[in-house]
Amino acid sequence: GIQVEQSPPDLILQEGANSTLRCNFSDSVNNLQWFHQNPWGQLINLFYIPSGTKQNGRLSATTVATERYSLLYISSSQTTDSGVYFCAPEGTSYGKLTFGQGTILTVHP
Amino acid sequence: DTAVSQTPKYLVTQMGNDKSIKCEQNLGHDTMYWYKQDSKKFLKIMFSYNNKELIINETVPNRFSPKSPDKAHLNLHINSLELGDSAVYFCASSRKLLSALTDTQYFGPGTRLTVL
Repeated sequence: GIQVEQSPPDLILQEGANSTLRCNFSDSVNNLQWFHQNPWGQLINLFYIPSGTKQNGRLSATTVATERYSLLYISSSQTTDSGVYFCAPEGTSYGKLTFGQGTILTVHP
Repeated sequence: DTAVSQTPKYLVTQMGNDKSIKCEQNLGHDTMYWYKQDSKKFLKIMFSYNNKELIINETVPNRFSPKSPDKAHLNLHINSLELGDSAVYFCASSRKLLSALTDTQYFGPGTRLTVL
């Protein structure tokens, strides 16, 4: 199966700082999704991004499928951005997302 | 309106018992999933159903049995619960694209199962 590696494993920021989270994956993928798990445990889908770049407010994501990586950018971070960020590529098995181990983000006021 | 709902939210039970977790989605999606998140936050898919048909069945003990009475519901029944089954179980759903790929997956709030 696909191997997924996320970096960094932990990230501590002051409010207002920018950050980049990286996701490397080992095989060709049909799509890739980014999720945020908030401190209450809810998993929220941030992006569905098989390739290219998408933006949603202060967040943007880029996937370069040919080089097998995806990046999540968070600008002007806020305390509400705290939580765990997961990337999850879908390989050739329909619907099967393989989750990375996550990046734990803590934003201090 | 809750898009993907699960009941119960918390489940505390003794080893050896049998329990069920229910999931419902009102998004009109074709595909539903069960995931397990362990104490280290690692998320792994267990099962997936598309229009009531099982399409993903990962290496999961056969004590776990999913049941899909219709495409809006996917329940998870667990027999003879063990300590290692303690985890958070998430249900999710997505629609099937014309290209036969899946679309964005939407997750329920999770069910925290504690086996004593």
